[in-house]
Amino acid sequence: DAGITQSPRHKVTETGTPVTLRCHQTENHRYMYWYRQDPGHGLRLIHYSYGVKDTDKGEVSDGYSVSRSKTEDFLLTLESATSSQTSVYFCAISEQGRETQYFGPGTRLLVL
Amino acid sequence: KNEVEQSPQNLTAQEGEFITINCSYSVGISALHWLQQHPGGGIVSLFMLSSGKKKHGRLIATINIQEKHSSLHITASHPRDSAVYICAGPRSQGNLIFGKGTKLSVKP
Repeated sequence: DAGITQSPRHKVTETGTPVTLRCHQTENHRYMYWYRQDPGHGLRLIHYSYGVKDTDKGEVSDGYSVSRSKTEDFLLTLESATSSQTSVYFCAISEQGRETQYFGPGTRLLVL
Repeated sequence: KNEVEQSPQNLTAQEGEFITINCSYSVGISALHWLQQHPGGGIVSLFMLSSGKKKHGRLIATINIQEKHSSLHITASHPRDSAVYICAGPRSQGNLIFGKGTKLSVKP
């Protein structure tokens, strides 16, 4: 299994509070991705990174920001959480952009 | 219309049956991924293929790039195959666009 962890695994927060989710990898893969998974929508890309300090938006990026200051860490920040951001968040990594992606265990976020 | 469509959405089978899950896509993609999501939520990549057929144990994936169609077959299905199976196609930079998944339940 690829060495990829997410923290926290579960979080409950209140509307309007900032939240940061962390994805950590030990594989030295160049690409990292943040997805959210919601019933009826499947997995959707939020942001991705193709190298340290190199990031780009996905299809559902509004309300989210990311940072990647080290190869191994990719942070997802909800600046001011809303109830619509209640979801399961998955991080994934891949060695190159068009190769197999390996997924983290997911983070369940509940925004009250 | 979703760019990646899967059918069926739900599938119930008896142990031992041959199972087929279909994936059609409307965008021009060069390869297709099949993923498995366990009941506990973990996601595992099963296949990435750009032509022909790939086999891993009882799982077989086929793709026809010209027809924009892929199938995932499971032979001699078992209750432990119960999961959600997801197909996905890469856009630029490898970003994946996902189907909504097929929920498979295999009864003993």
